[in-house]
Amino acid sequence: DGGITQSPKYLFRKEGQNVTLSCEQNLNHDAMYWYRQDPGQGLRLIYYSQIVNDFQKGDIAEGYSVSREKKESFPLTVTSAQKNPTAFYLCASSQGLSWDAEAFFGQGTRLTVV
Amino acid sequence: GQSLEQPSEVTAVEGAIVQINCTYQTSGFYGLSWYQQHDGGAPTFLSYNALDGLEETGRFSSFLSRSDSYGYLLLQELQMKDSASYFCAVGGATNKLIFGTGTLLAVQP
Repeated sequence: DGGITQSPKYLFRKEGQNVTLSCEQNLNHDAMYWYRQDPGQGLRLIYYSQIVNDFQKGDIAEGYSVSREKKESFPLTVTSAQKNPTAFYLCASSQGLSWDAEAFFGQGTRLTVV
Repeated sequence: GQSLEQPSEVTAVEGAIVQINCTYQTSGFYGLSWYQQHDGGAPTFLSYNALDGLEETGRFSSFLSRSDSYGYLLLQELQMKDSASYFCAVGGATNKLIFGTGTLLAVQP
């Protein structure tokens, strides 16, 4: 079955540690996105990538980093520079520049920093 | 920059009709999408409008007015399972996909 997979579902880390969230898709989509969602809030764009080996900052990129070495994979690293990293992180993919294409979301990773 | 505004909460009863509004400010507007998210789950795509007018998909319809930078999602024959958060989203010239703040819909028996 085609889809987008995020792992792990729950993640606990100590303050000051970097952590990497995985996102893999087998939909052959060009575009991939990372969003952060805080309780009762909307989705805020962290980073996005339209093509392999290229990515752009979203609205809240500070304290995060990404890579896009393969079309299928778009991992997100939450660094120690992120002041308030505890949140629900959602990865999405879409066909690309065709804006009538829906975005498909993974099930999310709930990160808790203690 | 880009911004989208939605009401934070809407309450309705089973069988009723509810409208969720979205106003947006963006450069290079391409289209308005709607997504549904149940608590703790992944958002799922509902509809997309690139042109002015109404798009109907079963019980759900979506409307867009580009001149007013405004759209809405219309949910008919409400069911308890429709209780969820609803987000509008825009894609623009910068190829970002930006989401609104979300509207929490509570359907009461």
